[in-house]
Parts: sequence; structure tokens; C-alpha cells
Amino acid sequence: DAGITQSPRHKVTETGTPVTLRCHQTENHRYMYWYRQDPGHGLRLIHYSYGVKDTDKGEVSDGYSVSRSKTEDFLLTLESATSSQTSVYFCAIRGRLSYEQYFGPGTRLTVT
Amino acid sequence: AQSVTQLDSHVSVSEGTPVLLRCNYSSSYSPSLFWYVQHPNKGLQLLLKYTSAATLVKGINGFEAEFKKSETSFHLTKPSAHMSDAAEYFCVVTLNYGGSQGNLIFGKGTKLSVKP
Repeated sequence: DAGITQSPRHKVTETGTPVTLRCHQTENHRYMYWYRQDPGHGLRLIHYSYGVKDTDKGEVSDGYSVSRSKTEDFLLTLESATSSQTSVYFCAIRGRLSYEQYFGPGTRLTVT
Repeated sequence: AQSVTQLDSHVSVSEGTPVLLRCNYSSSYSPSLFWYVQHPNKGLQLLLKYTSAATLVKGINGFEAEFKKSETSFHLTKPSAHMSDAAEYFCVVTLNYGGSQGNLIFGKGTKLSVKP
């Protein structure tokens, strides 16, 4: 357990509404990540952060934005949710000594 | 460019028999490699990692993997499967050069079924 929580754990929303997912860590890690998991695709990186206010895009960033105003919180926002964004979203932090990452429990998002 | 290929999308074994999950990688740099496991409706757990030390890496729950540079492979093995090993397994490579930020690239996963 790397002290990572995600909220909410489950959410159902309608197409066109904004959605914000929160990732919270308690161990002061510098790097944080957001992934989405879809059947047959493994995990794909959406955005990542390498410090407060320092973020960058990943492989599938279109339609998503992120913010990190505090070390412990990394927010993922869907400005206008679409059905293609129905997925399971995972947050992760990177270990201090090497590149392994530790994952949160996930958020299951359904866009109807 | 870095990439990782898991050669089987689904593997089925009987309890007590060996497990082999195959992974090949492509990397222009010395890679760091990982195996993660995901049980149904759970998050991902790190099983083991290779970071340029010993080529035979031991992980949790009796799993191990061998880094073979000549074959660009990092196959995951276990001598004797247990029912609790039924899960999805992901082979992962990292971009391992300055400026890469160490981002991970995931394979598409292998679902392991264990029959009684």
C-alpha cells in the first residue's frame, strides 16, 4: 500500500457534463500519473506530473486536463464527458529509487 | 522506440503445473522491465522488476523472470500454479534515458486461468 486513494470509486455521468477525479497520496512523491484501462489495451498514460504545477501529456490526453496545486493531490478533469471516456481510471505514483510505479484502487467511470 | 509485446492474450494451466507468460520488448536503451498483476476488480500490484542488476529476478508469490538481452525477452515463470494466481498479468518497459521522465509502456496483458 503506497498510501494512494482515489475518489470517487464509481461514477455514472451523462454525456457533456464535466467530471473531476481526484488522486491523493500521503508520502510526498514527486511523480504522479493518470492512466485509463480498457479491455485489450492494457493501461495507457493520459497525463503525468513531475512536481507542483508541472504536468505533461501522455499517449491519450485529448479530452482530458490535469492540475496539481499541492504535492499530495493530482486532479483529472473531463471537461465534457463523452461515451468513449467510459473506462477505469488509475492513478499512480513513482517510487523514489527507480522507475516502478504504485497504483491506486481505480475509479470506474461510466458516461451514458 | 520502446514497445512491449505479450505473446499470449490468454493462458490456461492446471493447478500445480508450471506457469509461463511470455513477453518481448523493444528498446533503444538499456531497459527497466516490470511485471504487474491485477486480480479481478482490483488495482495493479508490482510482482517484480529488472533494473540492470541480476538477470534472474525473483518476485512475490513464487514468481520469477529472466532478462535475456540476446532474445529481447522477459518471460514470467512460476514452478507450480495456485488457484489464487488466476489474474491478469502485464509486462511493462520503461523509457530509460535522460529526459524520458521514466514513463512506463504497458503490454496488453495476459489473462491467466488456473483449473482445479
